[in-house]
Amino acid sequence: DADVTQTPRNRITKTGKRIMLECSQTKGHDRMYWYRQDPGLGLRLIYYSFDVKDINKGEISDGYSVSRQAQAKFSLSLESAIPNQTALYFCATSDGGADTQYFGPGTRLTVL
Amino acid sequence: KNEVEQSPQNLTAQEGEFITINCSYSVGISALHWLQQHPGGGIVSLFMLSSGKKKHGRLIATINIQEKHSSLHITASHPRDSAVYICAVRSYNAGNMLTFGGGTRLMVKP
Repeated sequence: DADVTQTPRNRITKTGKRIMLECSQTKGHDRMYWYRQDPGLGLRLIYYSFDVKDINKGEISDGYSVSRQAQAKFSLSLESAIPNQTALYFCATSDGGADTQYFGPGTRLTVL
Repeated sequence: KNEVEQSPQNLTAQEGEFITINCSYSVGISALHWLQQHPGGGIVSLFMLSSGKKKHGRLIATINIQEKHSSLHITASHPRDSAVYICAVRSYNAGNMLTFGGGTRLMVKP
């Protein structure tokens, strides 16, 4: 079984809808991250969390919110989706003492 | 100007060729990462470097801190090496978060 899972893997929605993307990990890592990837651009950090009580904004947090329900779960919400939020979204985890990040398989989101 | 620049953006090679992908950065860093993104989208970490050189199988990564430059080399390339290769730096001015390059799309033809 994959260590970092994301649901759904693909989602098509309409402008104005609320969407939640979920991430779960079995690696026991404290740190979790949400990124988005757009064609030709590098991955950009949306939010990150160093533990259940710690939530931080990343480079592009506007229009997004997150919830760290447990050490293993970190959800990303789009309160009112807009077409320019169409992208590939990745969740990642890391151990606080190490540098390597482990990525989920990605969620392809299309906002019409 | 992006803090992390990769070249080339796209690269096509014949099986067996030696491949070099470059990464230049403009900020002070504590570490540099090379990652591989498979055609299906999944991302895996290949190397983390803070100095010198690392080798894993046919992959070699080097970094020159003074010149703010890193290279990823693939020897005896194979079609299964076809992927997007991503450079990322952990920079002091980004709160120690990773800043990613735009990636290099590699296609190795049989």
